[in-house]
Amino acid sequence: DGGITQSPKYLFRKEGQNVTLSCEQNLNHDAMYWYRQDPGQGLRLIYYSQIVNDFQKGDIAEGYSVSREKKESFPLTVTSAQKNPTAFYLCASRRQADSYEQYFGPGTRLTVT
Amino acid sequence: GQQLNQSPQSMFIQEGEDVSMNCTSSSIFNTWLWYKQDPGEGPVLLIALYKAGELTSNGRLTAQFGITRKDSFLNISASIPSDVGIYFCAGLDSGGGADGLTFGKGTHLIIQP
Repeated sequence: DGGITQSPKYLFRKEGQNVTLSCEQNLNHDAMYWYRQDPGQGLRLIYYSQIVNDFQKGDIAEGYSVSREKKESFPLTVTSAQKNPTAFYLCASRRQADSYEQYFGPGTRLTVT
Repeated sequence: GQQLNQSPQSMFIQEGEDVSMNCTSSSIFNTWLWYKQDPGEGPVLLIALYKAGELTSNGRLTAQFGITRKDSFLNISASIPSDVGIYFCAGLDSGGGADGLTFGKGTHLIIQP
């Protein structure tokens, strides 16, 4: 089945540690995105990548880093510099050429204590 | 950044009732998307709208792209228990800025038996 997978579903870390969230897609989509969701809030864009080896900052990139070494993969690292890392993180992808429709993975809930 | 005002914030309805919600923006949008999110899951795309005035249906769901290009509406007819969730509107503005979507804060739909 084609789709977007995120792992793990739940992640717990101690404050001061970096943590990497996985996002993989087998939809052959060109663009990939990372969003953060907080209770009662809409989704906010962290980073996006339109092509391999290239990515752009979104609205709230501070304290995060990404890489895009393969078309299928777009991992997000939450660094110790992120002041409020506890949140629900969503990865999305879209087929660049003919659509603005983004398709989401199941999300990873990160809790930092 | 762009802002989307989504209303109502929450709705308490009886099973079988029709539902209406809307989204307005401060600027012109080229694309409107409507998503549904179940608790702890990623949003699922319901309907995509690309032209002003466009009316599109997906089963019991109907969405419209407002003529002014600054608003969109979603209607659900004859609601059923599985319609419960959070409905998000998302838009892509005409400014050609960041590639990510701008999301509303969501409408919580609660169905009373």
